[in-house]
Amino acid sequence: GQSLEQPSEVTAVEGAIVQINCTYQTSGFYGLSWYQQHDGGAPTFLSYNALDGLEETGRFSSFLSRSDSYGYLLLQELQMKDSASYFCAVSTGANNLFFGTGTRLTVIP
Amino acid sequence: NAGVMQNPRHLVRRRGQEARLRCSPMKGHSHVYWYRQLPEEGLKFMVYLQKENIIDESGMPKERFSAEFPKEGPSILRIQQVVRGDSAAYFCASSPLVPGTGSNTEAFFGQGTRLTVV
Repeated sequence: GQSLEQPSEVTAVEGAIVQINCTYQTSGFYGLSWYQQHDGGAPTFLSYNALDGLEETGRFSSFLSRSDSYGYLLLQELQMKDSASYFCAVSTGANNLFFGTGTRLTVIP
Repeated sequence: NAGVMQNPRHLVRRRGQEARLRCSPMKGHSHVYWYRQLPEEGLKFMVYLQKENIIDESGMPKERFSAEFPKEGPSILRIQQVVRGDSAAYFCASSPLVPGTGSNTEAFFGQGTRLTVV
């Protein structure tokens, strides 16, 4: 089976940096993805890591350590609009994309 | 190129009725996934389909639930004899390849169908 663990909630101040961790246990692994979902909205893709290391896309960065079965999403210069749920997702390459339970980020002034 | 289209956006059914949820993937996408999301919870995988084939339905309840992706037309998630516990948001996602297997393999999600069983 597959399992992904993320903190359920995180609160951070506007302008700060926040890191959302994800650990996973899967029976196969192709890559770790991150998705953002605002309340009532559709999940949207943020980033993807297949190899160890850091991928940077603007204010968002994502990190992967395959040996540790661990990754994180780093959000810099937080803005109020970043308040949303963030999901890590693992592709086992077999047939589907498994999602974690999500981390609800609240950005406060 | 329109995004993933799901309809209806909201669906209300009485217990025992049938619910049909439709999903039109993005043009050129042959992989369709259905997920269920309960309030304040994550996305739970239900089924993965390609045209005319169910590839993986391991996340779908064995009874009352079925899915199809015909050669022509949208993918359909069908729930028979709905119960209150079926109330949830159902999201469809599509991808040109198996998502998460390389660069540019992201899954594109529709806006979801919010099913309420009364």
